[in-house]
Amino acid sequence: EGQLVESGGGLEQPGRSLRLACVASGFTSGVYAMSWVRQAPGKGLEWVAAIDGSGGTTYYADSVRGRFTISRDNSRNTLFLQMNSLRVEDTATYYCARDGRWVRMLEVWGQGTMVTVSS
Amino acid sequence: DIQLTQSPSFLSASVGDRVTITCRASQGVSSYFAWYQQKPGKAPKLLISAASTLHSGVPSRFSGSGSGTDFSLTISSLQPEDFATYYCQQLISYPYTFGQGTKLEIK
Repeated sequence: EGQLVESGGGLEQPGRSLRLACVASGFTSGVYAMSWVRQAPGKGLEWVAAIDGSGGTTYYADSVRGRFTISRDNSRNTLFLQMNSLRVEDTATYYCARDGRWVRMLEVWGQGTMVTVSS
Repeated sequence: DIQLTQSPSFLSASVGDRVTITCRASQGVSSYFAWYQQKPGKAPKLLISAASTLHSGVPSRFSGSGSGTDFSLTISSLQPEDFATYYCQQLISYPYTFGQGTKLEIK
């Protein structure tokens, strides 16, 4: 089924940047669309961004469009989320998730990486 | 954007009970619909895809139904490990919105 492992989270000040990474194993990552989903402390799930298998098409939530950039390097089986102009409300656990091959669903999830934005 | 209204937000039930969680979409999503289970401190896990297809390894006491705008997740006989938070999600168009969640607690 595969495995996803996120990294790159941490404490950062408002207005600064962070780059998250998600390494995939156990499957050919370029075949699948991928998403980032976040969860603020004590809150529900929020879909953040997605990218198709080739990396040519991207989608964003309104809350992050223009500040966050999703990308992927299929040669390294790695998904990225470049987070610029961070805001306090971006504080959350960020999960990467793999879409289904033939059915739309978030089938495989990473364990999450925590991002805290605070001065 | 498509909004999902999930109900109830909290549900108290006992082991062995049959429970149903519902989710209503602000516009039709056909069967591009999924349900997830999340336990504290853990990543969500896929339960149901395409509105009614049980994901591999998920116990048969879980079932999903619906199409268009109205969907439901039913657990036929609650087990201790089922006490968790459940989320619905539409996947017909981006952004892939989630419902606000249903926290299932032990009575």
